[in-house]
Amino acid sequence: DTGVSQNPRHKITKRGQNVTFRCDPISEHNRLYWYRQTLGQGPEFLTYFQNEAQLEKSRLLSDRFSAERPKGSFSTLEIQRTEQGDSAMYLCASSQNSDSPLHFGNGTRLTVT
Amino acid sequence: QKEVEQNSGPLSVPEGAIASLNCTYSDRGSQSFFWYRQYSGKSPELIMFIYSNGDKEDGRFTAQLNKASQYVSLLIRDSQPSDSATYLCAVQGGKLIFGQGTELSVKP
Repeated sequence: DTGVSQNPRHKITKRGQNVTFRCDPISEHNRLYWYRQTLGQGPEFLTYFQNEAQLEKSRLLSDRFSAERPKGSFSTLEIQRTEQGDSAMYLCASSQNSDSPLHFGNGTRLTVT
Repeated sequence: QKEVEQNSGPLSVPEGAIASLNCTYSDRGSQSFFWYRQYSGKSPELIMFIYSNGDKEDGRFTAQLNKASQYVSLLIRDSQPSDSATYLCAVQGGKLIFGQGTELSVKP
């Protein structure tokens, strides 16, 4: 058990560019979550997967955000046409099943200039 | 109304005192309840989880759940300066939703 791994740790991009983040969950964890966190706030739910199926996507999430979890293993989160308001820490977490606690990765800090 | 609300901080307690952190939630169908601790610049780490009404103790930590009142709390006994962090309440009824967090400061 190597924990949840997120890459990259930091990403600086210019407004209008596309970015993609990767998350490798703990092996055999069925559920995978993506959250966004800004300073002084709790993690904001973005989307989550049960194996390869995306179960829910936040209504607050614009169409510029998309996530995939092919084959139910790693997941990617893509942000198209980034805006300065997208600057945040993007957290990935996984859990064994629907009632199990989440285990978080170290996050990817995105800065949009 | 926010789905998960925590009492506003920061909360400051002296070393050795009891820190009390509170949380209310709006979804009556919620089944699982968690407390996470988050140090500045770090990811949340699990402290406690509770599924049934009542109290659950783990060392210096006690989680309390009252589903009828839609209320969950965390007590930290014998608070230590190392407990200074932001405490996040999280509620699960499908997806896991976090509160905004309460910042705790334990003064030596």
